[in-house]
Amino acid sequence: GAGVSQTPSNKVTEKGKYVELRCDPISGHTALYWYRQSLGQGPEFLIYFQGTGAADDSGLPNDRFFAVRPEGSVSTLKIQRTERGDSAVYLCASSSRAGGGTDTQYFGPGTRLTVL
Amino acid sequence: ILNVEQSPQSLHVQEGDSTNFTCSFPSSNFYALHWYRWETAKSPEALFVMTLNGDEKKKGRISATLNTKEGYSYLYIKGSQPEDSATYLCAFPPLYNQGGKLIFGQGTELSVKP
Repeated sequence: GAGVSQTPSNKVTEKGKYVELRCDPISGHTALYWYRQSLGQGPEFLIYFQGTGAADDSGLPNDRFFAVRPEGSVSTLKIQRTERGDSAVYLCASSSRAGGGTDTQYFGPGTRLTVL
Repeated sequence: ILNVEQSPQSLHVQEGDSTNFTCSFPSSNFYALHWYRWETAKSPEALFVMTLNGDEKKKGRISATLNTKEGYSYLYIKGSQPEDSATYLCAFPPLYNQGGKLIFGQGTELSVKP
């Protein structure tokens, strides 16, 4: 079956611009996660959705970052007034159950964001 | 501060060598440990989810062990092949947050030369 997909695969933008990154989770998965991987580091948690609601947004670095999942499937991560430090690979993952810590998270290939 | 450490950061081996690397995590309030393999330009692939002290899991030539009392897990690759070249990540869910959020180590980058 289809895995997690993310679009675009690459995004280059200028400092100060607005960007949207999209994630299509595996069909039927209720939990959806966003992570960010900066060069030389492991993925860093941003936000977790259970259904349509953000159950944990403690990893969002500041109020320029926002994410939605209006119908409980596709999610969009939105970044306003981008800064060079936002350059990273943004990963999305989904899991089938109610976000338990023993559940496998299935990752998409990521969106590589470059802010010039 | 909940932290996951992986060592070494990078490893270069010859085809056919066996290798292993380490993931260290907080031993108190352990809940689970995840291992992932991430090849360049692909999605991170789940290898194992480990929950029990002394657990050992195997997938082909890759195996992993878990010691929750001392807070470490080893990943072993027997007879490395060039296609094993990837970054290997471990991660754990903080017990206080059972929503499934994972804290990742920085990864071990493995390069296998033919």
